[in-house]
Amino acid sequence: AQSVAQPEDQVNVAEGNPLTVKCTYSVSGNPYLFWYVQYPNRGLQFLLKYITGDNLVKGSYGFEAEFNKSQTSFHLKKPSALVSDSALYFCAVRVKGNNRLAFGKGNQVVVIP
Amino acid sequence: DSGVTQTPKHLITATGQRVTLRCSPRSGDLSVYWYQQSLDQGLQFLIQYYNGEERAKGNILERFSAQQFPDLHSELNLSSLELGDSALYFCASSVDPGDEQYFGPGTRLTVT
Repeated sequence: AQSVAQPEDQVNVAEGNPLTVKCTYSVSGNPYLFWYVQYPNRGLQFLLKYITGDNLVKGSYGFEAEFNKSQTSFHLKKPSALVSDSALYFCAVRVKGNNRLAFGKGNQVVVIP
Repeated sequence: DSGVTQTPKHLITATGQRVTLRCSPRSGDLSVYWYQQSLDQGLQFLIQYYNGEERAKGNILERFSAQQFPDLHSELNLSSLELGDSALYFCASSVDPGDEQYFGPGTRLTVT
């Protein structure tokens, strides 16, 4: 079954430092992968997706993600974190068949001023 | 603003009661999804509709039901409410199943 794993519950990073949020996936066939961000008391916001093509995908708010087929990973990155990036981040994969998205458990990111 | 609207924003009700949550998808989106988010369970997929037809079911209780109407809006009905049903309920929509989803602001349900 298609699934994603986000191994860390919380990621702490100092403002201005690089931010990485990890995601690994398990799919049959080619993966369609997504990242979302959720701010407190808000709905999830779409950040970026990988369908095919360049392994480095650029998204909103300066985020990017690197698709690595051999490691079955799709890590989210930002070169320089801002305090306003503190939020809950979800990785998701498209489920073959009904094509719904399967979400990971989420990672809390805390950017320390 | 994602373009997905949900009403009401907040709902407080008693155990045993029944409530209806409403969702209007983005203009042009045919797929609607419902999710439940709580601290202990995280984000749980409930059910998916595409152009009025049920496409997928997730961890949806038998006490819960949903439908998508011809105008593409959707309603989630929760009955015989229990304290554990207190959660944020999100609706999302996409053009096609499997596309990126756009989430509404959610309905916070509190069961007392």
